[in-house]
Formats: sequence, C-alpha cells, structure tokens
Amino acid sequence: KAGVTQTPRYLIKTRGQQVTLSCSPISGHRSVSWYQQTPGQGLQFLFEYFSETQRNKGNFPGRFSGRQFSNSRSEMNVSTLELGDSALYLCASSTQGIWTDTQYFGPGTRLTVL
Amino acid sequence: AQSVTQLDSQVPVFEEAPVELRCNYSSSVSVYLFWYVQYPNQGLQLLLKYLSGSTLVKGINGFEAEFNKSQTSFHLRKPSVHISDTAEYFCAVSEGNTGFQKLVFGTGTRLLVSP
Repeated sequence: KAGVTQTPRYLIKTRGQQVTLSCSPISGHRSVSWYQQTPGQGLQFLFEYFSETQRNKGNFPGRFSGRQFSNSRSEMNVSTLELGDSALYLCASSTQGIWTDTQYFGPGTRLTVL
Repeated sequence: AQSVTQLDSQVPVFEEAPVELRCNYSSSVSVYLFWYVQYPNQGLQLLLKYLSGSTLVKGINGFEAEFNKSQTSFHLRKPSVHISDTAEYFCAVSEGNTGFQKLVFGTGTRLLVSP
C-alpha cells in the first residue's frame, strides 16, 4: 500500500506570493490533517478534513486555507506569504481520525520564503 | 487549554543502555496521549498511544510508555537502545471529550545514541 505522498517536496517562494501544497492520503483514508513544523514554534496543527469537510481548525490566520476533494486528496493554500511561513508542512491521513486509528504522516513539503 | 512539556531537549545515551524520555501534559479534561518519532528528513511515525484501559502501553520498536494520571505524565521508555533509535521524539495530547481530533505536540526530545 502506498504511503502518504506530498508534492512538491521543496518549494521556494518570495514574500507576498501564494502557494498551494498537495497531499495524497493512503487509499481508503478519509481524514487528512495538516501541520506546520518550525524550529521556533515546533509542530502546530493547522486543520483537519474529513470527507471533504473541515472538521477541526488550529489557530492560524485566514491566509492559511485548505480543502479536500472527493477522492480524499487535500490541498493547502497560503496566500500573501511572509518570511515566518518558512517551514516544513506535514500532511497526515487516517481512516476515521486519530482517536480510532493510526495516523500516517507524509515526508513533508519544505517551504522557504525569501 | 491543553499543553505538553518535554523536559529534555536532548538525551545522550550509549548503545544498549536504557532510556526514559519525559513528557508531562496539562489538561482540564480527559486526554488521549501519543508518542511519535521523526527520523531525519522524514515525517512522523506513531510509536504508541494511550486512549484508555491499561496504563502501560507497548509500542513499536520495543518502546513502552506509562500513563500516570496523578502526575499528568506519559514517559517513554526503552530498556536497551540501538544506534538506529537516534531520532527526534515528540509527545502529543488530544483532548478526549471536546470532539476536536487535533494533536498538541511537545517541543521534542532529540535522542542521541552513541556506540
């Protein structure tokens, strides 16, 4: 079974631009979560989607948004990029959610904002 | 609000020695607790989790953790470590009765195993 895949793996953008990251969950998984990992703030929850609906949301500004498609693939969008958005963005999937089954993480997309 | 404290940012240990990585949490409601491992340039992998039942939880790669409600702790242990256990370990908590299935992570503990 293929794992969670994230594209692209590396991305360089400049301030003010916008970016879209993609996550393909494990086949059959309906829950997709996104996390931001930075040296200063550590791992922070962004949001979770389940069956195309945002089920949970972290404390990030509205510049961070996401969506999930009918095939469970998810995208995350960051508009008006700031230097502080430089981070490793991790996507994770599970069948129903973290309470009932194991959440599998992808390798991440490393975003650098110049 | 829930929070997680990992007291040690780095733990050096010799191969085949035992190790304990400490984790304390703060929450006013029942919690679910998790330990994840992150190898260099990789995503996170679930080591073990506590949802309910026995307070001693066994995970993959020979790791185990004990949930202590009175001390609000969930320390991770391994009786004999290998070089390959060198990685970053994250403790995480999810509040059990809020309906919000999100993880709050600690700052991580880097385990350095040397020969």
